[in-house]
Amino acid sequence: KNEVEQSPQNLTAQEGEFITINCSYSVGISALHWLQQHPGGGIVSLFMLSSGKKKHGRLIATINIQEKHSSLHITASHPRDSAVYICAVIPYSGGGADGLTFGKGTHLIIQP
Amino acid sequence: NAGVTQTPKFQVLKTGQSMTLQCAQDMNHNSMYWYRQDPGMGLRLIYYSASEGTTDKGEVPNGYNVSRLNKREFSLRLESAAPSQTSVYFCASSVWLAGPFSDNEQFFGPGTRLTVL
Repeated sequence: KNEVEQSPQNLTAQEGEFITINCSYSVGISALHWLQQHPGGGIVSLFMLSSGKKKHGRLIATINIQEKHSSLHITASHPRDSAVYICAVIPYSGGGADGLTFGKGTHLIIQP
Repeated sequence: NAGVTQTPKFQVLKTGQSMTLQCAQDMNHNSMYWYRQDPGMGLRLIYYSASEGTTDKGEVPNGYNVSRLNKREFSLRLESAAPSQTSVYFCASSVWLAGPFSDNEQFFGPGTRLTVL
């Protein structure tokens, strides 16, 4: 069974700090998603990647397929970045949506 | 475009009552999903619909039924609600079903917070 582990589970940092959230998974995948869930509950997709690195504003996502590991970085963090960040993978052997596996999320709080 | 919409936003039921959660998308997506999110657990897939006219069970289908009414709408029904079904329910859609040769981005609705007493 594919497991998706995120670390840390909780992270509190000061405004301006560089943030790293990690995601490890146990099987080969075709793609990995990073999602953001705001305190109000809504979920938005931040990145979808299958290799290398993607950047959007202050957010950077990297993936190492051989090591089965991905990181989400936030530069110059801001209180509005406070949210739960969720990693989700699509296993390569998965034949359908039942293969989608989500991590439990990392709860990030950025203090002013 | 409204994206993915869900109704209701909040609902309180008594054990044994039934209800239907509604979901609609206006992005002309083929695939739709229902998830539940519980404290301390990741999102878990309840049912999904790869395309209009098809539905399949996900990881936690027991106690639920679904209907893909048309391409836009995908409803989730609780026939006899139980306290274990207290959760936040999210509907999502994507252009095509995510699978081993695709990496389709999923778009999520705002969620329905359901409490079963």
